[in-house]
Amino acid sequence: NAGVTQTPKFQVLKTGQSMTLQCAQDMNHEYMSWYRQDPGMGLRLIHYSVGAGITDQGEVPNGYNVSRSTTEDFPLRLLSAAPSQTSVYFCASSRFQGGNQPQHFGDGTRLSIL
Amino acid sequence: AQKVTQAQTEISVVEKEDVTLDCVYETRDTTYYLFWYKQPPSGELVFLIRRNSFDEQNEISGRYSWNFQKSTSSFNFTITASQVVDSAVYFCALSEGQKGGASGSRLTFGEGTQLTVNP
Repeated sequence: NAGVTQTPKFQVLKTGQSMTLQCAQDMNHEYMSWYRQDPGMGLRLIHYSVGAGITDQGEVPNGYNVSRSTTEDFPLRLLSAAPSQTSVYFCASSRFQGGNQPQHFGDGTRLSIL
Repeated sequence: AQKVTQAQTEISVVEKEDVTLDCVYETRDTTYYLFWYKQPPSGELVFLIRRNSFDEQNEISGRYSWNFQKSTSSFNFTITASQVVDSAVYFCALSEGQKGGASGSRLTFGEGTQLTVNP
């Protein structure tokens, strides 16, 4: 049982490049989300989804796109990377039951934009 | 809007000391859920506990205990007889309850408290 799998674990990009961070879960969870973690700011929600075909914006969505074509996968796209997007990115999933379910996190992707 | 504040940025203790991590939250909802997560130096996020807004009973799990007080909007976490393996960043988080739509599952995190336990 893999849980939540994120790839890659590390990535270095140049400003203006595009990239997709992959996230997959094998727990049949309805709810999936992406967070970014920056020093001194905790984790902030970027985008989330409550099921295939349904996505919505979180607290810091600018510069990121998401789609949810299957229950298992929830990729995060950076269309034109900027240095401000240097961060650690976490994908999470949970059963969707109105906020009372603990979220299961992947191991994170450490992204550096030069 | 909901908010979580962890005023202690860093705490350093000596092994076997007790330590309390503070968490204060703000929400307008009457139904909400509070969580604590641990992030060890390896970087993953580990779920520790969930508490709903209707249950103010304190909880103890081994050396860990949690004190939830709605009157002061606090959900503090105490580690008794701390150990070096407790060294980590600890996050308090809040999600609001059942709503029309998905927003109830959105987690708002505090800034985190870096706990260092020295031998």
